[in-house]
Amino acid sequence: SQKIEQNSEALNIQEGKTATLTCNYTNYSPAYLQWYRQDPGRGPVFLLLIRENEKEKRKERLKVTFDTTLKQSLFHITASQPADSATYLCAPPDNAGNMLTFGGGTRLMVKP
Amino acid sequence: DAGVIQSPRHEVTEMGQEVTLRCKPISGHNSLFWYRQTMMRGLELLIYFNNNVPIDDSGMPEDRFSAKMPNASFSTLKIQPSEPRDSAVYFCASSSGGHREAFFGQGTRLTVV
Repeated sequence: SQKIEQNSEALNIQEGKTATLTCNYTNYSPAYLQWYRQDPGRGPVFLLLIRENEKEKRKERLKVTFDTTLKQSLFHITASQPADSATYLCAPPDNAGNMLTFGGGTRLMVKP
Repeated sequence: DAGVIQSPRHEVTEMGQEVTLRCKPISGHNSLFWYRQTMMRGLELLIYFNNNVPIDDSGMPEDRFSAKMPNASFSTLKIQPSEPRDSAVYFCASSSGGHREAFFGQGTRLTVV
């Protein structure tokens, strides 16, 4: 069955540095992948979508890559700020391409 | 639009009682999802509706769980009877389908004692 893996350990970085989060998937080849941000007590919020034919997607300080050979997506936040502290979830569709399935999320802590 | 609206925000109930969670999706969205989130299992998809029709309910944990979408602007998730292990945050999300982003509600925090 399809499996999505994100680093369950929290990532602690210093303000101003680049944060890099990893999402690995196995047993299938999604046509696209979405990234979401979740703050405590709130629902996930969409950030970026990257398609299988796109190597890289950018939005302001955010960058996502999609390597279909490695079956991996990387999520980068450049010039990180304490306000970027949150849990970040990757979400590829299921095998039928209909429903979003979520990884366990990685908690990012940016220290001032 | 006010976004996806869920009610109640918090629910505390005794084991064995019936619980009904409610969701109003964003107007015009034709896909609706119910998710459950716990520390142990993360965000799990329970059921997916497209154009008010349940497409995949393979994530519904047991027969105690049921979901309905009587029209495009309303959905319910019912647990009967509820058990302590059902305690979690339940999210409803909607999208305009395809590769579109999903918009989540604020969630309902359910505690079964």
